Amino acid sequence: DAGVIQSPRHEVTEMGQEVTLRCKPISGHNSLFWYRQTMMRGLELLIYFNNNVPIDDSGMPEDRFSAKMPNASFSTLKIQPSEPRDSAVYFCASSINGVRTEAFFGQGTRLTVV
Amino acid sequence: GENVEQHPSTLSVQEGDSAVIKCTYSDSASNYFPWYKQELGKRPQLIIDIRSNVGEKKDQRIAVTLNKTAKHFSLHITETQPEDSAVYFCASPTGTASKLTFGTGTRLQVTL
Repeated sequence: DAGVIQSPRHEVTEMGQEVTLRCKPISGHNSLFWYRQTMMRGLELLIYFNNNVPIDDSGMPEDRFSAKMPNASFSTLKIQPSEPRDSAVYFCASSINGVRTEAFFGQGTRLTVV
Repeated sequence: GENVEQHPSTLSVQEGDSAVIKCTYSDSASNYFPWYKQELGKRPQLIIDIRSNVGEKKDQRIAVTLNKTAKHFSLHITETQPEDSAVYFCASPTGTASKLTFGTGTRLQVTL
């Protein structure tokens, strides 16, 4: 298995533009997580899906952020409109079953909003 | 609220010495405590984890101890090597296990 696959690896966009980040979890994993990492705030959980259903989205900053998981092999995180303070590394991770099993992280997407 | 506190934030040791990183948690229902290592520019990766039915777990030079009464768990690295230099994160389920909350990270520097 190739592991958790994220795209793009890097994204530079102008303030106000829509940004879509993509994630393919490991086959057979039923849990998917979106994290944001910054120097100031560390690793923050944005949203957690189990069996394609959002379980906890309390970490989603505001209405500008939305996430979907239409099937077991694909998820998106969308920011519309983007702002400079959204600049961060966004990680997608998956686990076999929930938060008490190992989370395998993707390589991350480095987002820069100018 | 439910959180995970980690310290120290930075730690510098000489090669061959031991390093200890400690985390405290507030959710008494937590029962799973993983440690992740993140090298510069890379993704976090699990290095060891412990469940609440044991007090200690060891894997070569790495060990984790858990004190459920005091609500803290620690990562111990012995005979440190330069390749151990990285940021280490503890984590614990919070919010009735609806999320995995990470500590703020410890930057470990192993000097020659």
